[in-house]
Parts: sequence; structure tokens; C-alpha cells
Amino acid sequence: SQKIEQNSEALNIQEGKTATLTCNYTNYSPAYLQWYRQDPGRGPVFLLLIRENEKEKRKERLKVTFDTTLKQSLFHITASQPADSATYLCALVRASKIIFGSGTRLSIRP
Amino acid sequence: GAVVSQHPSRVICKSGTSVKIECRSLDFQATTMFWYRQFPKQSLMLMATSNEGSKATYEQGVEKDKFLINHASLTLSTLTVTSAHPEDSSFYICSARFRDYEQYFGPGTRLTVT
Repeated sequence: SQKIEQNSEALNIQEGKTATLTCNYTNYSPAYLQWYRQDPGRGPVFLLLIRENEKEKRKERLKVTFDTTLKQSLFHITASQPADSATYLCALVRASKIIFGSGTRLSIRP
Repeated sequence: GAVVSQHPSRVICKSGTSVKIECRSLDFQATTMFWYRQFPKQSLMLMATSNEGSKATYEQGVEKDKFLINHASLTLSTLTVTSAHPEDSSFYICSARFRDYEQYFGPGTRLTVT
């Protein structure tokens, strides 16, 4: 069956450092991979989308890589700030359906 | 742009009653909306896909008679939890497809059944 794993349930990073979150998947060939941010008690907020034929995408301090051979995506936040603290979800998209990973709770300490 | 609202944000109801949750796309038309459920510290689980003017498509294991979905217009989808029980208590989130595979999510509705 399809499986998405976000390796760390929680990640603690010092402010200013780069946070790197990992998303691995099996038994799936997504057309797109997305990353979302979710704050407690709120719906997810779309951050970035990367297509299967793209290796890397950037948006301000965010960078996403997508390796379809390794079946892995890495999500980087550079110059991290306490306001970046949230849960980050990766999501795989194929045939109009989105499957979410369980998320990584990121905490940025001052 | 691409704002999705949900109403109510919180609802408490007694066991056996029905609750309706509204999902609206405020500044775009959405032919497709999605309903998810999320339990604490777990990921979002897709319940159903709602298409404007047609019947919703439910995921395996989701009771269509219990979770009634109506997508009557291009900006409104509703989820009615019928004969709610405590095990239906959860965080319900809707989303609307904006373009390609971008979905924009509502803020969620916390349902508590007592």
C-alpha cells in the first residue's frame, strides 16, 4: 500500500540555522509533491509545489528538492525564525487525489 | 486571493443530533472541494471529494449516509454529520481546488459530540 513517511515527528532547531525536513514515500508515483504548513487548530497553508520533472524549487527562504529515484523530498528553511515554528506536512498528488504525510513538528528556539 | 472559509469554527452537539458545516471559496470558483478529518497528532484523512452539481465521491470506509455532502454552487460545499456520536468528534477541514493541484484549505471546524 502507499506510504508516506516524514522522518522526524519533531525537530528542534536554533534560530538562524537551516531546518531540513524529510519526506519519503513508497508504492506511489506522484505527479506532484506539495509542502504545507499547519499551525495548531488551523487548516494547512499551501507553501510549495514541485513537479515530478523538477529537481528543485525555491521561494524566499524555502527550498524543496524532489528525487523520484530515491522517492524522497527535502524541505529546507534557511535563516530559520521562531515564527517558522509549526507542523509541516508533505503531500503527494496523483489523479486529483492528495495523500498527506503525518507531519513534522518544527520548533525554532531563540 | 484563494481564501476558503469554514463555518462554524467550533461546535458542540449532543449525541444523536445532526451538525452542518459550511465551506466557502471566497474569491474564486471551485468546481471541486474536498473534506478531510484530522485526529490529534495525526495527518489529514480524505473523507470525500465534492463536485459541483454531482454526487460526492467517498473514500473507502467513510459512511456516505452518515456524512452527507452537498456542493450546490461553485463557492459552497456543506458537510452534514448525521446522528453524531462521540467517536465523530474530530477536526474537520475542507479545501477547494484553485488551479492545477493547488488546494486551499479552510481554517477547520472542531466538532465535539457529548
